[in-house]
Amino acid sequence: NAGVTQTPKFRILKIGQSMTLQCTQDMNHNYMYWYRQDPGMGLKLIYYSVGAGITDKGEVPNGYNVSRSTTEDFPLRLELAAPSQTSVYFCASSSPEDFADTQYFGPGTRLTVL
Amino acid sequence: GESVGLHLPTLSVQEGDNSIINCAYSNSASDYFIWYKQESGKGPQFIIDIRSNMDKRQGQRVTVLLNKTVKHLSLQIAATQPGDSAVYFCAENGGYSTLTFGKGTMLLVSP
Repeated sequence: NAGVTQTPKFRILKIGQSMTLQCTQDMNHNYMYWYRQDPGMGLKLIYYSVGAGITDKGEVPNGYNVSRSTTEDFPLRLELAAPSQTSVYFCASSSPEDFADTQYFGPGTRLTVL
Repeated sequence: GESVGLHLPTLSVQEGDNSIINCAYSNSASDYFIWYKQESGKGPQFIIDIRSNMDKRQGQRVTVLLNKTVKHLSLQIAATQPGDSAVYFCAENGGYSTLTFGKGTMLLVSP
């Protein structure tokens, strides 16, 4: 299994541009998550999904949108990029059937908004 | 709001020493805790977890201790190696398998 994969690895945006961060997992996990990590800080939850067609806001959802049309994919959309969205974005997945609510993380996307 | 936090931002140890990383939590309703390791430029990697009905759990070279009385969590790494150098995060569950992460402690291991 590849686990959780994210694309792109790096991206530079201009203020006001839009983009979609891609996330795919091949572990058949129902739960998927998007986090952002600012320098020297922990991870903050942006959005999460407990299954296809179901999404919910996390701690810091403003400026982002998500969709979950399949179990495998959970893209994160930035509509009007702002400098405050400069961060590293991590996607994760988990399965409620696992003994532990362990989340498995992708390698991250480093986004800079200028 | 309630949150998870860490006592020390940086911990420097010598190779071969035992390391102890501490974490305080404030949500008494949390029943599940996880330690993650994050190496530079990578995503967090699961190390070990513990449920609130336990006070100790051991893995390979790692032990997590949970003291519910004082709401304290610790990660012990035995015989610390240079490859253990990373940032370590504790996290607590927040429902629907969501996690609340602390800020992290950087562990630096000198040869």
